[in-house]
Amino acid sequence: DVKVTQSSRYLVKRTGEKVFLECVQDMDHENMFWYRQDPGLGLRLIYFSYDVKMKEKGDIPEGYSVSREKKERFSLILESASTNQTSMYLCASSLWSHAGGGADTQYFGPGTRLTVL
Amino acid sequence: AQSVTQLDSQVPVFEEAPVELRCNYSSSVSVYLFWYVQYPNQGLQLLLKYLSGSTLVESINGFEAEFNKSQTSFHLRKPSVHISDTAEYFCAVSEGGSQGNLIFGKGTKLSVKP
Repeated sequence: DVKVTQSSRYLVKRTGEKVFLECVQDMDHENMFWYRQDPGLGLRLIYFSYDVKMKEKGDIPEGYSVSREKKERFSLILESASTNQTSMYLCASSLWSHAGGGADTQYFGPGTRLTVL
Repeated sequence: AQSVTQLDSQVPVFEEAPVELRCNYSSSVSVYLFWYVQYPNQGLQLLLKYLSGSTLVESINGFEAEFNKSQTSFHLRKPSVHISDTAEYFCAVSEGGSQGNLIFGKGTKLSVKP
């Protein structure tokens, strides 16, 4: 089974702190994604990566950056955490699928619930 | 830009009743369609997907969805729900050539009551 792990289930940080969220997948997937999930808004894509050292902005990249130095690891960085970044953060990975025009099943981690005070 | 609409934010039903969760997408170009389920305090899991072939796809736990290109819909159905189906369900769409990005709907909370 594909496994996607995230470094923390719960995290509490203070405004202005630099925050690192780590995600690791064990199935050699090319694509990795970071989403935030908020009630009533569904999942919104922050950043994604389709290869090592490659990154693309999603729908809401402001206030975030990412790093992908190794294929299995994709990190989300909050340079200076703010209260409006309190949210559930979900990481996912997938293969690149020719049949799906690039898209295929995304496998999700359990999520990190971040609270910024 | 592609968008996904899940018309119902909450759907309460009684156990053993049928249910339909609605999903419409905006674009008529080649699309690939997914339903994910999220149980409380867990990440999302794939329920079923349509990439090509038969427009009716089924999951292992009795859900099915039909890709309807003319109506740009991918509604999820189950003829008889169980308490254990209580969860939030997300419809997602990807367009060909999009590097695998998914656009998610806002979710539908299915609440099955005894």
